[in-house]
Amino acid sequence: DAEITQSPRHKITETGRQVTLACHQTWNHNNMFWYRQDLGHGLRLIHYSYGVQDTNKGEVSDGYSVSRSNTEDLPLTLESAASSQTSVYFCASSALSLGGSDTQYFGPGTRLTVL
Amino acid sequence: AQSVTQPDIHITVSEGASLELRCNYSYGATPYLFWYVQSPGQGLQLLLKYFSGDTLVQGIKGFEAEFKRSQSSFNLRKPSVHWSDAAEYFCAVQSGATNKLIFGTGTLLAVQP
Repeated sequence: DAEITQSPRHKITETGRQVTLACHQTWNHNNMFWYRQDLGHGLRLIHYSYGVQDTNKGEVSDGYSVSRSNTEDLPLTLESAASSQTSVYFCASSALSLGGSDTQYFGPGTRLTVL
Repeated sequence: AQSVTQPDIHITVSEGASLELRCNYSYGATPYLFWYVQSPGQGLQLLLKYFSGDTLVQGIKGFEAEFKRSQSSFNLRKPSVHWSDAAEYFCAVQSGATNKLIFGTGTLLAVQP
């Protein structure tokens, strides 16, 4: 069965360190998204991609970067982790259908703690 | 700008009672609307979605939602709640032009025996 996986599921790091969260999907979806979930804010979009070599900033992109070298993966990098980036991170993917309806499928999430 | 409001942060209902979770959206064009459910420590699971057509949408686990354009609402309902429905529920609106989802802040549902 097609799925979307995230690793690690839990991560503790220190302020200032570089951290990369992995997202891998086997749906062969062109669109991939990264969100962070915080109490009182719901899910907020960090970065997204419509295909290989395409990346776009979301509403809370400062301090994060992504790269898309293939269809299956969209790793999220925190260049220099800050305590404000302690959160739960979700990856999602959807089929290509710009201008039409679409459904995003979510991974299980990564809980990141920055000390 | 697009936005989604879920006015109820926390709701408690008794098992077997009916449920309605409120969702209001702000969007200039015809919206694509979604309800997701998140169980503790889990990812988000799609309950149902509205793209067009019949304004009453049926979803999984016995949930339904009604799109009311005049009220800019997409409320989620279930006639009889089960203890396993205890979770957090998120309403979201999607732009057809960008496929980006805008989420509400969520409603946490507790179910009393």
